[in-house]
Amino acid sequence: QSVLTQSPSASGTPGQRVTISCSGGSSNIGSNYAHWYQQLPGTAPKVLIYRNNERPSGVPDRFSGSKSGTSASLAISGLRSEDEADYYCAAWDDRLSGWVFGGGTKLTVL
Amino acid sequence: QVQLVQSGAEVKKPGASVKVSCKASGYAFITYDINWVRQAPGQGLEWMGWMNPNTGDTGFAQKFQDRVTMTRDTSINTAYMELSGLRSEDTAIYYCARMGSTWYATGDNWFDPWGQGTLVTVSA
Repeated sequence: QSVLTQSPSASGTPGQRVTISCSGGSSNIGSNYAHWYQQLPGTAPKVLIYRNNERPSGVPDRFSGSKSGTSASLAISGLRSEDEADYYCAAWDDRLSGWVFGGGTKLTVL
Repeated sequence: QVQLVQSGAEVKKPGASVKVSCKASGYAFITYDINWVRQAPGQGLEWMGWMNPNTGDTGFAQKFQDRVTMTRDTSINTAYMELSGLRSEDTAIYYCARMGSTWYATGDNWFDPWGQGTLVTVSA
């Protein structure tokens, strides 16, 4: 059972906008930044969004992040087939003194 | 470019230990913490612990505290994670991941980049 809660799956058609949510608590997302990682099939995760809403260079601006209270969201607009991947949220947890992840959301592009 | 290259796949028997290496290049090895994260087959990501390559200080998830050791060899820019008392549930891909920035404290930081992963299979 993951400390951060994500829906196991999400889907959309090409060009659509999809949102993936991540629910935490006061000791993690509520008091620290949320980060998002994309894991393409058979590859290592890579950072997609860090510190709630910042994009590393090379990540398209179709990807955006936000945080409100103890929840965070990842939005993908102009959905493309290559966006089909697993998406994980993460945050530092002050109570556990460690990093916690969501269980991951598998995004399917129909 | 900044890169983490991990050692190859391992097959171990229950009760044995495994030591995975993570060789860093493209940056000053001692200036960024290294974390270890694992992923069981078909499952999500699980954080195991961190190590400061400069001081050797470590911190572990409670689940692994009694079984994991994290060390480094600064002469060859390599971090190591050793897990003992292996059981079938430890079968997973083990990733090393560097902290993304030296500007921020741990809680404000993120993982970037990640190593390619090392598959550890525990089987009798």
